[in-house]
Amino acid sequence: GNSVTQMEGPVTLSEEAFLTINCTYTATGYPSLFWYVQYPGEGLQLLLKATKADDKGSNKGFEATYRKETTSFHLEKGSVQVSDSAVYFCALWGAKGQNFVFGPGTRLSVLP
Amino acid sequence: SAVISQKPSRDICQRGTSLTIQCQVDSQVTMMFWYRQQPGQSLTLIATANQGSEATYESGFVIDKFPISRPNLTFSTLTVSNMSPEDSSIYLCSVEGSRNEQFFGPGTRLTVL
Repeated sequence: GNSVTQMEGPVTLSEEAFLTINCTYTATGYPSLFWYVQYPGEGLQLLLKATKADDKGSNKGFEATYRKETTSFHLEKGSVQVSDSAVYFCALWGAKGQNFVFGPGTRLSVLP
Repeated sequence: SAVISQKPSRDICQRGTSLTIQCQVDSQVTMMFWYRQQPGQSLTLIATANQGSEATYESGFVIDKFPISRPNLTFSTLTVSNMSPEDSSIYLCSVEGSRNEQFFGPGTRLTVL
């Protein structure tokens, strides 16, 4: 079945540092890929998505590129802020009728 | 994107009691989903709720423990029955967007004593 693997956290960075959170997936066909963010005490918010190979999703300074050859969708940000402290979930959706599959989440803490 | 609200936002309940969580969407949607997020964990799908039909439950979840109602295209409820401390989790509802994404409510934080 479909699955998502993320780098283990927690990740602790200083403000303005570069962020990478690795995500790899296993799926048949061509799934859509997503990053969701969960701020403390809140629900999940869609951060960005990509629906086909080589697509780049971007939002709020975050980027991720759909790499079919490496089955990856790594999240990057050039300069993190304290307000980016949250848990980040990589997810995939295979096809109509299939369920969303979420990775385990990566907790990011950004220190001032 | 859909705007989703949930009630209650949090609750503390006694063992053996039941809690009904409400989910309201600001637009009509065909499918609504209920997830559980145990402390420090990822999301686990409990069931999919379609209007006018029985909910479809995932492996490990049963209707007697988690009855779901879906009376119309903008509303659903999830009941957590005969609660135990192991049911302490965040319960989230979500809906499918027009471009294959999912949108989530703010969650209901349940603590069972």
